[in-house]
Amino acid sequence: ETGVTQSPTHLIKTRGQQVTLRCSSQSGHNTVSWYQQALGQGPQFIFQYYREEENGRGNFPPRFSGLQFPNYSSELNVNALELDDSALYLCASSPDRANEQFFGPGTRLTVL
Amino acid sequence: GIQVEQSPPDLILQEGANSTLRCNFSDSVNNLQWFHQNPWGQLINLFYIPSGTKQNGRLSATTVATERYSLLYISSSQTTDSGVYFCAVGKNGNQFYFGTGTSLTVIP
Repeated sequence: ETGVTQSPTHLIKTRGQQVTLRCSSQSGHNTVSWYQQALGQGPQFIFQYYREEENGRGNFPPRFSGLQFPNYSSELNVNALELDDSALYLCASSPDRANEQFFGPGTRLTVL
Repeated sequence: GIQVEQSPPDLILQEGANSTLRCNFSDSVNNLQWFHQNPWGQLINLFYIPSGTKQNGRLSATTVATERYSLLYISSSQTTDSGVYFCAVGKNGNQFYFGTGTSLTVIP
């Protein structure tokens, strides 16, 4: 059974650019959640997708958007990057919305 | 949103010692997980424990949902236990909240 995978591992962008991060959920999971973890802090919930629909959203601006595909993989898109967007972005999948979450290894984004 | 407080924020132990990490939360929840984050950032599942008690080897956890807290016990600590431990809670299955973590250092 393949676990949650994320790509790319690392990414460097400049302020104002756009970025797309990708996540493949664990087999049999229909729910994907995205988190942002700044250095020295706990992960912050960005949003959750359940069966291709946004099911919940944290306190993040609209320039953070996402998609979930029919195979339940997901993308996180961030427009107009700011320096404070530099962080580890984590994706988690779960068998259903309120179930145990399993995390991928993360994508480390640096905005210069 | 739900406030999640973890204590202590930092903990230094001698190898072989026992420890208790605490997670307090401000609202009723139906989802609670404990994670260990390794130095590369990977969150490793320890327990899914919305209520009750579970044990896995040297680790055990107890959640008292009615009193809004959970405890993670680590016995006979090893250097490989070092890292940051997070508690995460959820309600209604559409938003999740992490605590600020407990940073554990186990000294040989």
